[in-house]
This record gives sequence, structure tokens and C-alpha cells, in this order.
Amino acid sequence: QQQVKQSPQSLIVQKGGISIINCAYENTAFDYFPWYQQFPGKGPALLIAIRPDVSEKKEGRFTISFNKSAKQFSLHIMDSQPGDSATYFCAASTISGTYKYIFGTGTRLKVLA
Amino acid sequence: GAVVSQHPSWVICKSGTSVKIECRSLDFQATTMFWYRQFPKQSLMLMATSNEGSKATYEQGVEKDKFLINHASLTLSTLTVTSAHPEDSSFYICSVAWQTGYTFGSGTRLTVV
Repeated sequence: QQQVKQSPQSLIVQKGGISIINCAYENTAFDYFPWYQQFPGKGPALLIAIRPDVSEKKEGRFTISFNKSAKQFSLHIMDSQPGDSATYFCAASTISGTYKYIFGTGTRLKVLA
Repeated sequence: GAVVSQHPSWVICKSGTSVKIECRSLDFQATTMFWYRQFPKQSLMLMATSNEGSKATYEQGVEKDKFLINHASLTLSTLTVTSAHPEDSSFYICSVAWQTGYTFGSGTRLTVV
């Protein structure tokens, strides 16, 4: 019940295309869903996050879609660029609790020039 | 946002020696810090929660005598890998729980030879 399932494991997208990464969770107590971007040899950096009271959040080219009933959320990267090539992790947490994050398994995105 | 500094960024040590990794919260007083371990092309695995002024809370399966955590001040947590062996080689990352979620350090690549 503590798992966060992430797919796909890897993704190749043409420059200018849309990258879509999906995550699913089981624990309905989760109330905070961030996405992190990680470049090789670096720590993860927060991209965008959402709480379950909204169905969508957009920041620049990055959009989170959230489906509470299905317990799923996804990251959409519009107009994907080679510089977006990185590993993306979704996570789930209870914001009011201990901030302990449960991370997805990661998606390695490669954007072709 | 919170700024987290992690040092060293990489370290090579001989088998049987101990290595200390520092995690500093530069602009935020962190009562709680987290230590993660990441194997190549894998997700982040929470090792322990570091609590200022008290004992760390270790995740199941993490040897507390091998991975010593000290959180002596609100801005510094240290992870000491004792009697390191090649299987301890990994990428270690600390993070701080901040109002908008986690901020991660840049990570430490440990190689035990």
C-alpha cells in the first residue's frame, strides 16, 4: 500500500514533442505529489507538485494531471527539449505528517535533437 | 527555497575505513533531515530520518551500526559509513523537509576499493 508505481521505465521523445510519465498510488492518505528531475551525478530537484484538491497544475512547460478517484497522476512535458533529458521521479507523501516520501522507480527521458 | 549543501561530492576509500558525509542546511533550520541511497539507474531508497538532538530513525534493513547518523545542530547532519566495503559503494543523498517539500543535496558518490 506504500508503493508508488511509475511508468514507463524509459522514454524517447523527439524535440518539440510531448513527454508523458504516469504514476499510481494506493494509499489514500497521501496528500502531496511532487515530481523531481535528476541529472546524472546530481541530487534530484523539485519540478512541480500538486495536492489532491486540484486536478491540474501547470508551471511553464510542465503540467501535472491528477485523478483522485483513480489514484493516478501524471507529468506532461510540453515542447520537450534535449535539455529535458534526465531521470524523472514521482513521489507521494502526507504533507501533514513526517514528510516521508515514497518515490516511484523513475523514468529515464531522452529527448532527441 | 531551502539550500542544502552536501560534502564531499565524491570520495574513494579503502575497504575497512570509515567515511563521513556532511549535509548542511544553509538558510533554513532543519529539525529533520533525510538520508537516501541510490544505486545506478534505480530509485531513491530512504535509509534514515535524522532528528536534531535525538537518535535517528532507521528504515527496516538498514544497519544503524554501519551507517551512523548524527544531527547535532539545526543546520548539520552527518552520515558516517563505518568499516566500508565495496558493496557500500553508492550515491548517497541528503534532503531537508521544507515548506514546499524536500530539497535535496547534490549527493555524494562513494566508491570503496
